[in-house]
Amino acid sequence: GQNIDQPTEMTATEGAIVQINCTYQTSGFNGLFWYQQHAGEAPTFLSYNVLDGLEEKGRFSSFLSRSKGYSYLLLKELQMKDSASYLCAVRDRGSQGNLIFGKGTKLSVKP
Amino acid sequence: NAGVTQTPKFRILKIGQSMTLQCTQDMNHNYMYWYRQDPGMGLKLIYYSVGAGITDKGEVPNGYNVSRSTTEDFPLRLELAAPSQTSVYFCASSRKTSGGTYSNEQYFGPGTRLTVT
Repeated sequence: GQNIDQPTEMTATEGAIVQINCTYQTSGFNGLFWYQQHAGEAPTFLSYNVLDGLEEKGRFSSFLSRSKGYSYLLLKELQMKDSASYLCAVRDRGSQGNLIFGKGTKLSVKP
Repeated sequence: NAGVTQTPKFRILKIGQSMTLQCTQDMNHNYMYWYRQDPGMGLKLIYYSVGAGITDKGEVPNGYNVSRSTTEDFPLRLELAAPSQTSVYFCASSRKTSGGTYSNEQYFGPGTRLTVT
């Protein structure tokens, strides 16, 4: 079956670093995405990994290990505006490469 | 570019009523999608389209219909609304879904918040 797991909620302090983990078991794999979704708004694209390793984009980095079915999103120098839900999604190799989403991790950043 | 636009933003329906959720994109994307998002749940794919005239079912298609007569528009039709269809509906589009080094990420509209009572 298709399954994507990520923690439901996390809390961190402004200025700190937080790591949000995602594990997946899917029938195929053709890339992993992280999206940010502020309350009441649409998801917006953050990062994409298709090969093992770390992708860095400013304060945000994303890591992938395909052999372990594991990814994480690393947020550095946390700001209050980073309070949002973070969605992990795997692109399936079949079914036209549609995305399978996890339930999301709600991150609260406190002063 | 307006990106992906959706109308209406909010709607309250009575059980058994019908409605169409509108979605338009101006990025000339071939692929378009409809998702629903329930509290505490991930996005679930309802229907998708890989180009004008071509649509296919996603994970949760029951109670919905779609059409794709143009590249830009991808309306979602709810027939005989039920309380279980109370949700937030997102439309999205992308260039294509083949992977490799190109992310071809999906761009989402602002959503339609639908309540069925």
